[in-house]
Amino acid sequence: GAGVSQTPSNKVTEKGKYVELRCDPISGHTALYWYRQSLGQGPEFLIYFQGTGAADDSGLPNDRFFAVRPEGSVSTLKIQRTERGDSAVYLCASSLRSGAGYNEQFFGPGTRLTVL
Amino acid sequence: AQTVTQSQPEMSVQEAETVTLSCTYDTSENNYYLFWYKQPPSRQMILVIRQEAYKQQNATENRFSVNFQKAAKSFSLKISDSQLGDTAMYFCAFMKQQGGSEKLVFGKGTKLTVNP
Repeated sequence: GAGVSQTPSNKVTEKGKYVELRCDPISGHTALYWYRQSLGQGPEFLIYFQGTGAADDSGLPNDRFFAVRPEGSVSTLKIQRTERGDSAVYLCASSLRSGAGYNEQFFGPGTRLTVL
Repeated sequence: AQTVTQSQPEMSVQEAETVTLSCTYDTSENNYYLFWYKQPPSRQMILVIRQEAYKQQNATENRFSVNFQKAAKSFSLKISDSQLGDTAMYFCAFMKQQGGSEKLVFGKGTKLTVNP
């Protein structure tokens, strides 16, 4: 497929468990973003990768949240000791980020996380 | 910090008619982008239209156009000849133009229903 893909589509877990959410960006896109969308809200920025490094992690709510992108392509968002308040749709987006000028972010379909 | 406000939680329109969605924002930046995204039930965010703040001319994309009032920090979306497929959540979003992570700041959204 040519678009951003995210797995799983839905994830149900119990409070206190560990979860991993995966994002496959569009091939060749160097920039990757994670957003969290709580019920009835717009997406909120979590973290941005340029290549392999996290260039901006200012949106991560606390140290239970961590994300990696070891080879500059696939990214994994990791949540430790999940809480009910972590329930949300987690969206991933990628962009070409070729340099100056506008770079459109293309979004995946998201992972709906439910913490019981 | 930038904020985006959408004051209409829900709107409805008859098929083939015109509807306008409102958005205001707050920023101290002079150079930025504004966007309208559509999010159907499939959850995938789709870019509808983009406006560069330095451009006085309002952006248009087929049936979609914006009314950008920079001094008033207002950015409304007009949908002409509404179609059933336009039914979705619509989010207004802001992005700084230079520097940083190009993260998007979203409003809370407006749920638009197009009635047959």
